[in-house]
Amino acid sequence: SQQGEEDPQALSIQEGENATMNCSYKTSINNLQWYRQNSGRGLVHLILIRSNEREKHSGRLRVTLDTSKKSSSLLITASRAADTASYFCATDAVLGTYKYIFGTGTRLKVLA
Amino acid sequence: DTEVTQTPKHLVMGMTNKKSLKCEQHMGHRAMYWYKQKAKKPPELMFVYSYEKLSINESVPSRFSPECPNSSLLNLHLHALQPEDSALYLCASSHPGLAGGTSSYEQYFGPGTRLTVT
Repeated sequence: SQQGEEDPQALSIQEGENATMNCSYKTSINNLQWYRQNSGRGLVHLILIRSNEREKHSGRLRVTLDTSKKSSSLLITASRAADTASYFCATDAVLGTYKYIFGTGTRLKVLA
Repeated sequence: DTEVTQTPKHLVMGMTNKKSLKCEQHMGHRAMYWYKQKAKKPPELMFVYSYEKLSINESVPSRFSPECPNSSLLNLHLHALQPEDSALYLCASSHPGLAGGTSSYEQYFGPGTRLTVT
C-alpha cells in the first residue's frame, strides 16, 4: 500500500488565496520531500524537510512536519495560476535505502 | 547543468517489439532511478542504481531490463510488453548520500517517456 496518503485529492482556489495540502505516512522516516508535477511532465523538487525539523520555508512555500502524527503539510501562499499542478509528498519508506514512496497526490487548480 | 534528459519523448510499440528508453545526467549524481507512472497516480519506483550497481528492484517483471553502462547513463530495455505497461516512465538522479545507501537528497527528474503498447 502507499506510504503516503494526501488530502485533499483535488483543490480548486482563486488566484491570491492560500492552498494547503496534507500528507500522512505510515513508518519512520529520515526525511520527507514535496514535489510538483505539471500535467504529464517530470517532477520538480520543491522542498526537503528532515525528521528533526518541524518547519521549513522556501519562498511562498511553507512545510511542516509532525513526526508524532506522521504527517506533513504544504502551504502555498498567494497562489498564482502557474501553481496549477499536482503535488506529491515522498518519504524514504525504508530507512537505509534509496527507496522513496510517493503519496497519492493533490491536484491543485488555481483560477485566474 | 541540472538537467536530466530522456529519450524518446514518446514511444509506441507492439507487444513483440524490443525497444530501449534512455536517460542521461551530467550532475555527477551516483544514484539513478526508474519510475513508472500511470495517469492520475503517483510515480512507482521500479529500479535504483547506486554507483552503477543495481541497488533496488521492486519485483519488476523481467520484460523490463535496466542497465547502467556508466555514471551518466541509465537505460531501460523493453521486450514483450503488455498493453497495461503503457505509462509515463520517469528517470531521476540524486546524490548517493551516506555510504550506507540512504539518499537524503532531492531527486532530479527527467521529463519522462510516454510509452504506449499496442
